[in-house]
Formats: sequence, structure tokens, C-alpha cells
Amino acid sequence: AQTVTQSQPEMSVQEAETVTLSCTYDTSESDYYLFWYKQPPSRQMILVIRQEAYKQQNATENRFSVNFQKAAKSFSLKISDSQLGDAAMYFCAYQNYGQNFVFGPGTRLSVLP
Amino acid sequence: DARVTQTPRHKVTEMGQEVTMRCQPILGHNTVFWYRQTMMQGLELLAYFRNRAPLDDSGMPKDRFSAEMPDATLATLKIQPSEPRDSAVYFCASGLGSMEQYFGPGTRLTVL
Repeated sequence: AQTVTQSQPEMSVQEAETVTLSCTYDTSESDYYLFWYKQPPSRQMILVIRQEAYKQQNATENRFSVNFQKAAKSFSLKISDSQLGDAAMYFCAYQNYGQNFVFGPGTRLSVLP
Repeated sequence: DARVTQTPRHKVTEMGQEVTMRCQPILGHNTVFWYRQTMMQGLELLAYFRNRAPLDDSGMPKDRFSAEMPDATLATLKIQPSEPRDSAVYFCASGLGSMEQYFGPGTRLTVL
């Protein structure tokens, strides 16, 4: 069974600085999707970024980018120029094509003014 | 702006009562997921539908929980009878095939 691990229960970053959240996963599949979701205090789960495993190029969305290392089964999220609004729980998720999602336990990010 | 909607947003009930939570997926999406989120267990998948057919409900306590999709615009999650340990936030999410899921705002359930 696939598993997703986020080894950092909590992280903090100074406003305007850069932070990297770690995620590793375990799968025997070669084709799959990886996601980062953000859950602010409002509880709404918001998609941050998506990566298809067959793509070598790392996905980027504005200040958010990933470092996808397929061989190492690693999928870290980098947040540049951190803003107070980035404070939230961040969940890494895996999906094999057509199968259900597997979520990691989450990393709580604090942004310090 | 297409969104997943969930009702009610908050529910307080007494142990033993029936609870029904409803979800309207985004129009055109063919997959629907129900999750439960607690501090202790994190996000747990309860049930997963594709084209209204249940594909996986192994995460759901079968004796008290049931999930259905009466039509493509409505998914329901029922708990009967409810217990205090069912207190959690229940999320519905919808998607298209293997694309990313879009989450609803959640239903916060408190069972006294």
C-alpha cells in the first residue's frame, strides 16, 4: 500500500524568507500524481500545486515550487517570499491513476512577522 | 466559480441520533470522496465514488455509517446511531478522473 510521510510536524519561517517542507512517499507504481494542499485556520483545503510523475520538470505556481526526486520518492515544497497568509497546515498527497488519494499527516507552518 | 458545497456546516447532536451530511460535487466531476479529519487521526478516507458507484468504503465503520450518491449532483453520508467518537470534521471532495480533488468547506460534527 502507498504511504506518504511528512517528517516535520511543525515548521516556522520569517516573513519574506524561504522555507522548504519535506514529503516522502512509498509506491511501486511508475505513473502517479503528487499534490500539496494547504489548510488554513478556516479549514478549507486548498490545492497549492500538482506534479505528474512522468514529467521531469518541477512544477511551479508563483511563489510555490516543488523539488520532485522520483528515484528518491521525494516531493518537497518550497515557499519563497513567505507571507503571513501562508500560515497553515500543509498536506502532501499521492494518487495512483484512478485510485484513491493518500494524504500525509501534515506540517503546520507558522510565519513570523 | 465552481465549488463543492456541503450542508450543514455545523451539526450538534446527541448520541444515538441519526446524522445526515450532504455534498454537492462540482458539475461535471465524476469522482466523490468523503474524508473525516480529527486531531488524532488526521485525514481519513471514508468512501470513494466514481460515476456514482462506490469503489472503496473500507475506511467506513459499516455498522453505523453509510454513503450514497442518489444522483450525480448529490452525495450523502449518514451516521446511525451517532456516537461521541464520531465528532470530527467531515469533508467531501470531488474530482475528474485522476485529477486533483476539490474540497468542500466541511461539516463540523459534534456528538454529545
